Amino acid sequence: GAVVSQHPSWVICKSGTSVKIECRSLDFQATTMFWYRQFPKQSLMLMATSNEGSKATYEQGVEKDKFLINHASLTLSTLTVTSAHPEDSSFYICSAIIPIGNEQFFGPGTRLTVL
Amino acid sequence: GDSVTQMEGPVTLSEEAFLTINCTYTATGYPSLFWYVQYPGEGLQLLLKATKADDKGSNKGFEATYRKETTSFHLEKGSVQVSDSAVYFCALMNSGGYQKVTFGTGTKLQVIP
Repeated sequence: GAVVSQHPSWVICKSGTSVKIECRSLDFQATTMFWYRQFPKQSLMLMATSNEGSKATYEQGVEKDKFLINHASLTLSTLTVTSAHPEDSSFYICSAIIPIGNEQFFGPGTRLTVL
Repeated sequence: GDSVTQMEGPVTLSEEAFLTINCTYTATGYPSLFWYVQYPGEGLQLLLKATKADDKGSNKGFEATYRKETTSFHLEKGSVQVSDSAVYFCALMNSGGYQKVTFGTGTKLQVIP
């Protein structure tokens, strides 16, 4: 099946710094990617939909100025957590749509810990 | 709006026991239904899917049948193994939307030898 990678797989940063997470579709072009956040022992919460060449669509309650999304190419979307705080610590997962088959493929996730 | 309800866990079973994880959904239109599995510290992997009523998805001994009349997509496996220990998520993707996936809350399965 299609492969989606994320980098880094884990990151620890100090409060107030910004962290960039990359999501890449390795063997297909993804016009649409999704960013999710998962809290411990909870389900995935959709944060935003990222469309190549246009602004991301954020879900209600998600701060667009805090979670910057850039979908610069058909194989890369980035999520930047700006001025991170401990409450931003979470597991961030991206996914990409493969048009044929109408299926989402998920990346392995990035664990962010903000000290 | 769309929603997915699955049984709360954790579910603890002995090896070779029969597994059922219940999942029901609410959606407009004709959604596709999925089961994803998440092993500790990893992302989600698609386990199986069904795209229309009465379809049966199957993979690695797991099965689930798309029941439109009961709006259900229960996951079953006849004989679980320790390696099946993970969190299982039921999900739907509505054909009428822009391919957003709605997830259930997840059910943790622990299989003991």
